[in-house]
Amino acid sequence: KNQVEQSPQSLIILEGKNCTLQCNYTVSPFSNLRWYKQDTGRGPVSLTIMTFSENTKSNGRYTATLDADTKQSSLHITASQLSDSASYICVVSPGSNDYKLSFGAGTTVTVRA
Amino acid sequence: NAGVTQTPKFQVLKTGQSMTLQCAQDMNHEYMSWYRQDPGMGLRLIHYSVGAGITDQGEVPNGYNVSRSTTEDFPLRLLSAAPSQTSVYFCASSPTGGVLDEQFFGPGTRLTVL
Repeated sequence: KNQVEQSPQSLIILEGKNCTLQCNYTVSPFSNLRWYKQDTGRGPVSLTIMTFSENTKSNGRYTATLDADTKQSSLHITASQLSDSASYICVVSPGSNDYKLSFGAGTTVTVRA
Repeated sequence: NAGVTQTPKFQVLKTGQSMTLQCAQDMNHEYMSWYRQDPGMGLRLIHYSVGAGITDQGEVPNGYNVSRSTTEDFPLRLLSAAPSQTSVYFCASSPTGGVLDEQFFGPGTRLTVL
């Protein structure tokens, strides 16, 4: 069964600090990996997408990396802001077009002033 | 554009009651889907549709029905609610459901079954 594991489950950081979230997956064949941000009480919103050949992708203060050989991805948040408090979800799309995305359980980030 | 809208935002049901969760999108997307989100778990696919008149089961379809009579609307029906269906439900859409498509999610419906 295709699985996506995220760590840590939650973390607390001070405003202005950096943090890195991890995502390990076993999905095969693999097409692409997205990171979504989910604010409390809202639906997820896409931050980045990386395909097999891409190693890094940035979106403002968010930088995602991908190592398709080891099936690992990370999301780095630089100079955190209070608005970064959210759940971050790793989503892997299979190489086959069967519409079956694999979702991680998410990492909850709390940024404190 | 309103994007993906869902109603109601909150709902409390008694065991055995039925109800319909509404979902609509104004982006002319062909692909629509329903997920449930439970604590400590990733989103799980309930049902999906690749176009009007076409639906299929996802990972956890039991106890739920869907239909797709128009491109815009994709309602989810709970036939006889059970406490195990207490969850947050998200509707999502994408242009075609292709592997590179971004999923656009609605704001969710928080359902409690007593």
